[in-house]
Amino acid sequence: RKEVEQDPGPFNVPEGATVAFNCTYSNSASQSFFWYRQDCRKEPKLLMSVYSSGNEDGRFTAQLNRASQYISLLIRDSKLSDSATYLCVVTTGANNLFFGTGTRLTVIP
Amino acid sequence: DTAVSQTPKYLVTQMGNDKSIKCEQNLGHDTMYWYKQDSKKFLKIMFSYNNKELIINETVPNRFSPKSPDKAHLNLHINSLELGDSAVYFCASSQELSGHRGSPLHFGNGTRLTVT
Repeated sequence: RKEVEQDPGPFNVPEGATVAFNCTYSNSASQSFFWYRQDCRKEPKLLMSVYSSGNEDGRFTAQLNRASQYISLLIRDSKLSDSATYLCVVTTGANNLFFGTGTRLTVIP
Repeated sequence: DTAVSQTPKYLVTQMGNDKSIKCEQNLGHDTMYWYKQDSKKFLKIMFSYNNKELIINETVPNRFSPKSPDKAHLNLHINSLELGDSAVYFCASSQELSGHRGSPLHFGNGTRLTVT
């Protein structure tokens, strides 16, 4: 079983829509959680960390559900510039960091 | 002013050759990494290097060897290149070991290696 699993998509949504991605992780001892964004042919960049109480950054909201072992990313009022692949990242301790394969989002005009 | 820079951006070479990819970070981070992203976009860690301690992913062939002349540099040398080595290789750095207190990664812009 993979450490981190994501629905690869693609998710095609119209501008202004709300879209949510989930990511499940297998290790209940996982400690830190992140969402990264990767544009086509570019490097991954940190989008936001995911805190136990949930956190928001503008149109982006991240949630953690330890009981069900998943994290989520909600994007409100989607923009064309949100089109990218969103990578879920989970750590289980020092130097044990695992990437999901990513969920591809395309926002359509 | 690029935080993590790697060269070259593109590398096309023939099977059996030896090649190197260079990486430098100016963030003052303690840890550097090499990641491989295959055609299915899966990012997999190859090496991490922290305070002269090298941690190797056991699945990485020993044809791959990281070399760190100092804390700001971690180069990747590849011997006897094979077709399956074709991928995008990302260098990254973090303040502490990734996962330790949630220290996020800063990536270089990648080296697209094509082995023919």
